[in-house]
Amino acid sequence: EAQVTQNPRYLITVTGKKLTVTCSQNMNHEYMSWYRQDPGLGLRQIYYSMNVEVTDKGDVPEGYKVSRKEKRNFPLILESPSPNQTSLYFCASSLLADNTGELFFGEGSRLTVL
Amino acid sequence: AQSVSQHNHHVILSEAASLELGCNYSYGGTVNLFWYVQYPGQHLQLLLKYFSGDPLVKGIKGFEAEFIKSKFSFNLRKPSVQWSDTAEYFCAVNAHGNNRLAFGKGNQVVVIP
Repeated sequence: EAQVTQNPRYLITVTGKKLTVTCSQNMNHEYMSWYRQDPGLGLRQIYYSMNVEVTDKGDVPEGYKVSRKEKRNFPLILESPSPNQTSLYFCASSLLADNTGELFFGEGSRLTVL
Repeated sequence: AQSVSQHNHHVILSEAASLELGCNYSYGGTVNLFWYVQYPGQHLQLLLKYFSGDPLVKGIKGFEAEFIKSKFSFNLRKPSVQWSDTAEYFCAVNAHGNNRLAFGKGNQVVVIP
C-alpha cells in the first residue's frame, strides 16, 4: 500500500531534549516536505527536499534540521526543542520535484514540548 | 513569493445547503491550484486540482472548483453538503518554476445534520 509513514505519532518532551521525527515513503517519490499545522495559521512549510542530498528551507525553518540521505526517508530533527515548537507536524511527498503532482501526507505527529 | 488567502475561516451550515469557499492567490504567472481536505483527526487528502484546460474542475465527493484567472481565484463549491463534509479545507498554490506549495490558512466547515 502506497503510504507516508511518520513516527512517533504522539510525543511529549521537555525543552532542550533533542528529538527526531522520522518520515518514510514507499512510492519512490522525488519530493518530500515537512509542514507544521497550528490553529488559525494553516500549514506552514518547514523544509523540503527535491531529491537525495538536496534540501531547502521553507517558510519556518528556524529550530529545525532535516536530512535526505536516502530517497525514501526525510527525518525532521529538533536539536533543542522549545515550547513554541509544540504543534502538529505533517510529512508529505510528491512524485516529481516540480510540484505538479498530488502531495501525499502522512498521518501526522503531534508534538508537545513542556 | 506566492501567497494564498482563504476567507470566512469558520463556516457552519445545515445539510443540503450549498457551500462555497473562496481562495485568492497572489502571483501573476502560471500556477497549479489545489484544494485539500482534512477530516477530523485525519491527514490531508487531495480534493481536486487544476493545471490547465477547462477552468471548471470536478473533484471527489461532488466538489468542484472554478479557476478565474482575472480574479486570481479558485473557489470551491458543492451544491448540497452532507454531514460527512464536516472538515477543514485548504487551498494551495504552486507557481510554475517554484518548488514550493503555499497553503492558505484553511476553512473549518461544520455541517449540522
